[in-house]
Amino acid sequence: GIQVEQSPPDLILQEGANSTLRCNFSDSVNNLQWFHQNPWGQLINLFYIPSGTKQNGRLSATTVATERYSLLYISSSQTTDSGVYFCAVEEYQGAQKLVFGQGTRLTINP
Amino acid sequence: ETGVTQSPTHLIKTRGQQVTLRCSSQSGHNTVSWYQQALGQGPQFIFQYYREEENGRGNFPPRFSGLQFPNYSSELNVNALELDDSALYLCASRRTNTEAFFGQGTRLTVV
Repeated sequence: GIQVEQSPPDLILQEGANSTLRCNFSDSVNNLQWFHQNPWGQLINLFYIPSGTKQNGRLSATTVATERYSLLYISSSQTTDSGVYFCAVEEYQGAQKLVFGQGTRLTINP
Repeated sequence: ETGVTQSPTHLIKTRGQQVTLRCSSQSGHNTVSWYQQALGQGPQFIFQYYREEENGRGNFPPRFSGLQFPNYSSELNVNALELDDSALYLCASRRTNTEAFFGQGTRLTVV
C-alpha cells in the first residue's frame, strides 16, 4: 500500500515565525488532505489539494503530484496554530480510504 | 463545525466487554468510514460503508464490525475488548470522491 511520510516530526517556533511542513507519498493519489488536530482530538480540515496550490488566510498548500509531495505553509504563526498537522492521501484507483502520515507536532511559543 | 457528530465523547469499558460507538454523518454524504488513532500515531483505517454495504476494510479483526443506516448514520461495534483497543475512534463522512470531514471522536479506554 501507499506510504506517507511527514517531516519534520516536531517543530518548535516563536510566535510570528513562518513554517513549512512536508508530506511525501509513494504512489499516485486521488485525494490529498491536510488536517490540524486540536487538543481535543478533532481533525480540522485545512486543505483538499490533490494537485496545485491553494491559500486560506495565513495558510497555503502546494501539491506536486508528479513528484509525489505536498507542502503546507504557515505564515506569521500564532499560539493557536499549535497542535499536530496530518497529511492524508487516498490511492489512485485504490480503496477509498485515507492513509495518514505520522504527523508533525507544531509548538508555537509566545 | 463539520456536521459530523459522534457519541459518546468518552467511554470506559472493561476487558472482554462489547462497545457500540455512533456517528451521524453530514447531510448529503453517502459514505462513512471509521478510523482508530492510538496515542502518538496517525489515524488507521478500520472500514468504510457506502449505501449500507461495507466496501473497504483495513487490517482489523472481525470483532470490529459496523453498520450504516438508511439515513447515513453509522455504528462501530467492537466485541471482546482488549487493552490495546484503547484509542480515539474517529468517524468521517463524505460524498464519493470528495474531501472527508471528521467528527470530534470517541475516546475509548479499556481497563
